[in-house]
Amino acid sequence: SAVISQKPSRDICQRGTSLTIQCQVDSQVTMMFWYRQQPGQSLTLIATANQGSEATYESGFVIDKFPISRPNLTFSTLTVSNMSPEDSSIYLCSVAGQGIGGYTFGSGTRLTVV
Amino acid sequence: DAKTTQPPSMDCAEGRAANLPCNHSTISGNEYVYWYRQIHSQGPQYIIHGLKNNETNEMASLIITEDRKSSTLILPHATLRDTAVYYCIASGAGSYQLTFGKGTKLSVIP
Repeated sequence: SAVISQKPSRDICQRGTSLTIQCQVDSQVTMMFWYRQQPGQSLTLIATANQGSEATYESGFVIDKFPISRPNLTFSTLTVSNMSPEDSSIYLCSVAGQGIGGYTFGSGTRLTVV
Repeated sequence: DAKTTQPPSMDCAEGRAANLPCNHSTISGNEYVYWYRQIHSQGPQYIIHGLKNNETNEMASLIITEDRKSSTLILPHATLRDTAVYYCIASGAGSYQLTFGKGTKLSVIP
C-alpha cells in the first residue's frame, strides 16, 4: 500500500492567518482526499483532489476557505484560510488503494487556532 | 454509502477475541463492507473488507451474514495495542469516498 507523508504534524496558529498542509505520496495516485476530524468527532470529507482539474468540494466546504492544489500525481496541499478557533481540528489526507482495496491515510495535522 | 450502525463502545479482556458488530441493513448489492480503526492521534488504518464471503487476513476476520445486513469484525487475540475506535463503512467499489460514522470505541482491558 502507498506511504503518505503529511506535514506539519501539528501547529498552533493565530486567528486570521492561513496554514498550508502538505501531503506527499510515494507512488502516483489518481485521486487524493482531504478529511477533517473535529475534536471528539468522526472524519468528514472536505474535498477530492484530482491532478489537472479543480478539486471537488463536499457540502459545507468551499474553495475560498479550503483551497487545494494538486500539481502532480504524488503531491497535494490543503490550505486552511483566515482561520478561526472553530477550524481547530485534525486534517488528514488519504489515497485509494489498488483496485477495490482499502484507503491509506496520512498521520494527520493537528491544528489549534488561538 | 449505506448507513451503518455500531455500538458506541465495547470492552474486551486482553488475549480474548474481540467481536465488533455492525448493522448495514440498507446495503446495496455492489457495496463492500470496510473496516478501519483509528488509534488515538493517528490516521485511520485499513483492516479488512468484504462483499459477501467471509474474509480473513493477518489482522482480523470479517464475518458477513448471508443477507448482508450485518457483519462482525473479529480480532482473535486482542492486545492492549488494539485499543482504538473501529469504523464499519459500506461503500460502493467505484465511489472512491468513505463516509465515516461514529464507530465503536474498543477498550482492551489488561
